[in-house]
Amino acid sequence: AQSVTQPDIHITVSEGASLELRCNYSYGATPYLFWYVQSPGQGLQLLLKYFSGDTLVQGIKGFEAEFKRSQSSFNLRKPSVHWSDAAEYFCAVGALRDDKIIFGKGTRLHILP
Amino acid sequence: NAGVTQTPKFRVLKTGQSMTLLCAQDMNHEYMYWYRQDPGMGLRLIHYSVGEGTTAKGEVPDGYNVSRLKKQNFLLGLESAAPSQTSVYFCASSQAAKNIQYFGAGTRLSVL
Repeated sequence: AQSVTQPDIHITVSEGASLELRCNYSYGATPYLFWYVQSPGQGLQLLLKYFSGDTLVQGIKGFEAEFKRSQSSFNLRKPSVHWSDAAEYFCAVGALRDDKIIFGKGTRLHILP
Repeated sequence: NAGVTQTPKFRVLKTGQSMTLLCAQDMNHEYMYWYRQDPGMGLRLIHYSVGEGTTAKGEVPDGYNVSRLKKQNFLLGLESAAPSQTSVYFCASSQAAKNIQYFGAGTRLSVL
C-alpha cells in the first residue's frame, strides 16, 4: 500500500541554523512528490514539487529538497532558518495514474531565538 | 484573486444536527478535494471529485456526503453530526491530479 512517513513529529532548531526534515515514501509507481507548509490557522501552501528531471528541486522561501530513489526519500532542507519558518510541514506523494495524493502526518518546526 | 473559499469558517453543532460546508474555487480547476485534519493524523481525504457531476470516496468517507453540481463548487454534507467529526476541514482544488493543490483557509467544526 502507498504510504508517506515523516519520522519526526516535532523538530526544534535555533534561528540561523540549518534544517532537514525527513520524508520517506512507499509507492509502486514512479512518484511525484510535494512539500507543503501550514502556518498556524492557515491552509496549506506549496513549497516545492518534484515530477521528473533534476533530483534537487528549489522551492519558495529558500527551501530545497532532494529526491533519492534508492532511499525512497524526499527530504526538505534549508541552510539557515528564520523565525517565520515556524510552521507545520507536510510531505505528500502521488503517481501519474492516481487521482489523489497522500499526505504524511506532518512535522512541526519550532524555532529558538 | 480569491482562489479557494470555504464557508463557514467556524461552526458549532449539536450531535445529530446536519450541515453543509461549501467550497468554491475560481480557477476553473477540474479536481476538488475535501480533507479533514486532526492532531497527529495529518490530512485525510474524505471525498474528491475529478470533474463536474462526479464524486469518489477517499480514505475516511463514512458519515459524509458530497456533491459537485457546478464545476466551481464542491459541497460537503454531514447528515447527522457526531462528536468524532469534530475537526478542521480543508478543501483543495487542482487542474489535474499531479498538479499543485490549492487550499482554502479551513472550516473549524465542533460537534458537542
